[in-house]
Amino acid sequence: DSGVTQTPKHLITATGQRVTLRCSPRSGDLSVYWYQQSLDQGLQFLIQYYNGEERAKGNILERFSAQQFPDLHSELNLSSLELGDSALYFCASSPRGLAGFGETQYFGPGTRLLVL
Amino acid sequence: AQSVTQLDSQVPVFEEAPVELRCNYSSSVSVYLFWYVQYPNQGLQLLLKYLSGSTLVKGINGFEAEFNKSQTSFHLRKPSVHISDTAEYFCAVSVPRGGQGGSEKLVFGKGTKLTVNP
Repeated sequence: DSGVTQTPKHLITATGQRVTLRCSPRSGDLSVYWYQQSLDQGLQFLIQYYNGEERAKGNILERFSAQQFPDLHSELNLSSLELGDSALYFCASSPRGLAGFGETQYFGPGTRLLVL
Repeated sequence: AQSVTQLDSQVPVFEEAPVELRCNYSSSVSVYLFWYVQYPNQGLQLLLKYLSGSTLVKGINGFEAEFNKSQTSFHLRKPSVHISDTAEYFCAVSVPRGGQGGSEKLVFGKGTKLTVNP
């Protein structure tokens, strides 16, 4: 158990809909990262927050957005969903958001999204 | 930009046999290197990482990896595998803050599925 929690574990929805994925980081970690894992693209970095502020952006679509709240939990919002958005979405956390300094990221169990 | 290539998408081995999972990276600046493991239906867990110093890095569960700068490789090895090592293994790279194009993200390879057979 990494200490990172994600809800829900599974989500089934229809095209065009909007969903919200939630992540609670490990106690004391200030930074949250979101990743998308799909069969064709592999594991892709989406976005990072540090203490409520956006720190780094990856291959995140404009239909997707995220935020980190004062209690440090984070939400990833996916809208106008398409079949291709079906994937496993991981959240990770780290103490100071310093993956660039080799800081370990701790991953949650993921949310499996299926868009029908 | 940095990239990671895991040369084998699937590696089947027998229990107690040695295994090597290959990882090559591409970067114009110094990087930090990681191996993560993903057991079925679970999130990723750090096996080991190379930041600096000794090129041979020891991790959890008896795994080790060797950083080879000239070959731009970071291959993962275990001398004797167990059934419980069946999982998907991901090599990843991050660029130290301050380096050219430095960022906080990890760039992952496509993964290698290790299957240990009895």
